[in-house]
Amino acid sequence: QKEVEQNSGPLSVPEGAIASLNCTYSDRGSQSFFWYRQYSGKSPELIMFIYSNGDKEDGRFTAQLNKASQYVSLLIRDSQPSDSATYLCAVSRGGADGLTFGKGTHLIIQP
Amino acid sequence: SAVISQKPSRDICQRGTSLTIQCQVDSQVTMMFWYRQQPGQSLTLIATANQGSEATYESGFVIDKFPISRPNLTFSTLTVSNMSPEDSSIYLCSVMTVNTGELFFGEGSRLTVL
Repeated sequence: QKEVEQNSGPLSVPEGAIASLNCTYSDRGSQSFFWYRQYSGKSPELIMFIYSNGDKEDGRFTAQLNKASQYVSLLIRDSQPSDSATYLCAVSRGGADGLTFGKGTHLIIQP
Repeated sequence: SAVISQKPSRDICQRGTSLTIQCQVDSQVTMMFWYRQQPGQSLTLIATANQGSEATYESGFVIDKFPISRPNLTFSTLTVSNMSPEDSSIYLCSVMTVNTGELFFGEGSRLTVL
């Protein structure tokens, strides 16, 4: 059984601070890791993906992967109220496999 | 990323009826998937839509309830059959870029079953 665990929140962060979102997964065969943002009533939007251990930065977003600990995280620097959304972690074995999603963390950025 | 169009965007249906959701992609893609997102929940994979052959269903989902067609590389349909209120959900078509594994979603079809 593939499982992806996230703290459902809500996680409240003041504007301008760093938001840290965490995710653990059970399938050691997972090769690809994704973070999606979902606004209420909208479909998920891909923010970042990471394949290798370490950090990957894209603008204000940094994804971190530790395969030994089966842990993925997303850091959002200089948080903005527009970052308020549910953030979904997803993992895949790669190839033709679909993604397995966590339940998401509800992030609130307080102005 | 591909542009994915789904219709209907929303519908209200009566118990016992069936509804077919269409998904059109603006480019040829290898992998197409159908997901469900029940109220307040995350996304659950229903099946992989295979071109020209039967879909591959995940545990808990069967062809009789969720028949899927994919006649070509840009189009797929999902039918929700003999609907009950428990089928009220958002159904999402998604496509994957095989080289990177990135998954992109359509806008979803929100179904309410009375």
